Amino acid sequence: GEDVEQSLFLSVREGDSSVINCTYTDSSSTYLYWYKQEPGAGLQLLTYIFSNMDMKQDQRLTVLLNKKDKHLSLRIADTQTGDSAIYFCAEIGLLGLTGGGNKLTFGTGTQLKVEL
Amino acid sequence: EPEVTQTPSHQVTQMGQEVILRCVPISNHLYFYWYRQILGQKVEFLVSFYNNEISEKSEIFDDQFSVERPDGSNFTLKIRSTKLEDSAMYFCASRKDRGQSEQYFGPGTRLTVT
Repeated sequence: GEDVEQSLFLSVREGDSSVINCTYTDSSSTYLYWYKQEPGAGLQLLTYIFSNMDMKQDQRLTVLLNKKDKHLSLRIADTQTGDSAIYFCAEIGLLGLTGGGNKLTFGTGTQLKVEL
Repeated sequence: EPEVTQTPSHQVTQMGQEVILRCVPISNHLYFYWYRQILGQKVEFLVSFYNNEISEKSEIFDDQFSVERPDGSNFTLKIRSTKLEDSAMYFCASRKDRGQSEQYFGPGTRLTVT
């Protein structure tokens, strides 16, 4: 089945850029997402990219997609203490789309710690 | 901004008891989902629901689980006879329509089975 993997932890200094990486196995992935989860809170949709795109920028967030290597990254520019959270990569494959369910397959999550 | 809401935020129940987790999806959304996250593990898909029927379900979603949209606003997940391993955070999500890919999640219900 589909699998999505992420590194577990990332620590950066405030003001630096953060890069969170994700790899996936489903070659039919159509949409790839980044969600943010703050302590005790739900999953907040940050951004997403369609599989025919290489890059998407949204204010401080830049998503890069390397479809050949099945690698997705999220870059957060000028990282702030409020960015400390767990970041989840997720994907929907073609099977998910055509099956009508649109189920998301999530990665393990990367805990981002921003230090002063 | 409209959001998905879930109640209760925390539910404690004894093994073997039935629980109902409630969700109010965003009002003009048509597709509804339940996911769960066991502590320290990945968020896992349970079930998707559209047009008053299940459109897809995972292996986790066995006969102990059921979903319902009892009225125009609520979407519920029922676990008939809870087991210890059902302890998890349960997230509801909704999506607007076929042409939109974004799923919006609620804050979750933490279910603790003792």
